[in-house]
Amino acid sequence: DGGITQSPKYLFRKEGQNVTLSCEQNLNHDAMYWYRQDPGQGLRLIYYSQIVNDFQKGDIAEGYSVSREKKESFPLTVTSAQKNPTAFYLCASSNVGQGAYEQYFGPGTRLTVT
Amino acid sequence: QKEVEQNSGPLSVPEGAIASLNCTYSDRVSQSFFWYRQYSGKSPELIMSIYSNGDKEDGRFTAQLNKASQYVSLLIRDSQPSDSATYLCAVRRDGFQKLVFGTGTRLLVSP
Repeated sequence: DGGITQSPKYLFRKEGQNVTLSCEQNLNHDAMYWYRQDPGQGLRLIYYSQIVNDFQKGDIAEGYSVSREKKESFPLTVTSAQKNPTAFYLCASSNVGQGAYEQYFGPGTRLTVT
Repeated sequence: QKEVEQNSGPLSVPEGAIASLNCTYSDRVSQSFFWYRQYSGKSPELIMSIYSNGDKEDGRFTAQLNKASQYVSLLIRDSQPSDSATYLCAVRRDGFQKLVFGTGTRLLVSP
């Protein structure tokens, strides 16, 4: 069964703690993405990676970090420097290249920081 | 001006009617366009992609693209209550891998 998994579904943390969100895909996609969604807002790109060991900042990268050591995995760390970390975090993946731009999303992780 | 604009709605239609969702974009070099459906509390699900001017049909869904006027629309025929969701429009600029999303239009289909 091909797809994208994110864990955990819900995550609660105290302010000042770093937290890492997991994203794994078995679609054999080269590119992976992290988005953040706040209530009533669209998706905002945090980081993306088109190939292993390489990644680029999106529109709101401050306070976040990523790694891409394996093609299947793209974990996101929300650091204590992120001012408003409470949000719905979505991971997506896609192929790379001509005509291959459809992105498919995982189920998301809802992070609450108090 | 936002790069991708959608009316937030809600757009209310009766069951069986045609729902028409619209999206405009600002960057003329945009080349690829996508419609996603997002149920409350869930992640977005890809419905349609369209790359060329004109219509593209898939079951009850039709995507329409007009690059000269910089708009893309999604028609849902025979709307069902299960179609009630937020519909996100996404646009990719030529030469870029990433997508830019609109804030979505909420559709309500009443029985």
